Amino acid sequence: AQKVTQAQTEISVVEKEDVTLDCVYETRDTTYYLFWYKQPPSGELVFLIRRNSFDEQNEISGRYSWNFQKSTSSFNFTITASQVVDSAVYFCALGLTQGGSEKLVFGKGTKLTVNP
Amino acid sequence: EAQVTQNPRYLITVTGKKLTVTCSQNMNHEYMSWYRQDPGLGLRQIYYSMNVEVTDKGDVPEGYKVSRKEKRNFPLILESPSPNQTSLYFCASSPMSGPKFYEQYFGPGTRLTVT
Repeated sequence: AQKVTQAQTEISVVEKEDVTLDCVYETRDTTYYLFWYKQPPSGELVFLIRRNSFDEQNEISGRYSWNFQKSTSSFNFTITASQVVDSAVYFCALGLTQGGSEKLVFGKGTKLTVNP
Repeated sequence: EAQVTQNPRYLITVTGKKLTVTCSQNMNHEYMSWYRQDPGLGLRQIYYSMNVEVTDKGDVPEGYKVSRKEKRNFPLILESPSPNQTSLYFCASSPMSGPKFYEQYFGPGTRLTVT
C-alpha cells in the first residue's frame, strides 16, 4: 500500500524560530518521487520541491531545506528563521509510476502558523 | 503565462442538478488530474488522464465523470451532485516523460457547495 503520513496536524511557532515538518511515506516500489507543496491562506497549491528515490542528497533553497532518508522512509522539511509569510498548510506527496500510469498520493497536511 | 485555469471558482448548487467544472491548461501537458480537498483528509485523486481519450479512476471516483477530448481540456462532470460532494476541487497537469514523474501544476481551485 502507498501512504504518506504527516503526523503533525498543526504547528505554531514564533517568528525566527526554526521548524521541521515531518513526512513519512510507505511504498514497495523502488522508483518513486517525493514532493512538497505549500498551500497559503489564499488557497493555491505551490510546488516546492521534487526528489526521486535514487537521490538522497539533501537540498537547501534559501531558508528551506529538505532531508531525505530512505532508511527511515522520511522526507522532512525544515524552515530556518521562520517568517509570518511561511504560514500555510504544507503537503508532502508520494509520486508513483505504475504500468505507464502516474499516481500522486498526498499526506493530510501540516498547518503551520508563524506568529509575529 | 503558463497556467491551469478552472471555472467556475465558486459554485453553490442543489442536489441533483448536473454541473460541469472546466479545466484548461496551456502548457501542452499530457497528464491531467482532478483532486478534491476536504478538511483533515488532504487531497484525494478523483480521476486522471494520461493523454487524449485516456482516462482512469483515482481513489474517489464515485459520483464523478470526466472526458479528455482535447489535450488542453479536462472537464469534471457531476451528473447528480449530492451534499457529500461539497468540497474544494483542484485540477492539475504535468508533462510526462517515460518513467519520470514531474511536478504537477495546480489550478486555483473550485469551491463547490451542494445543498
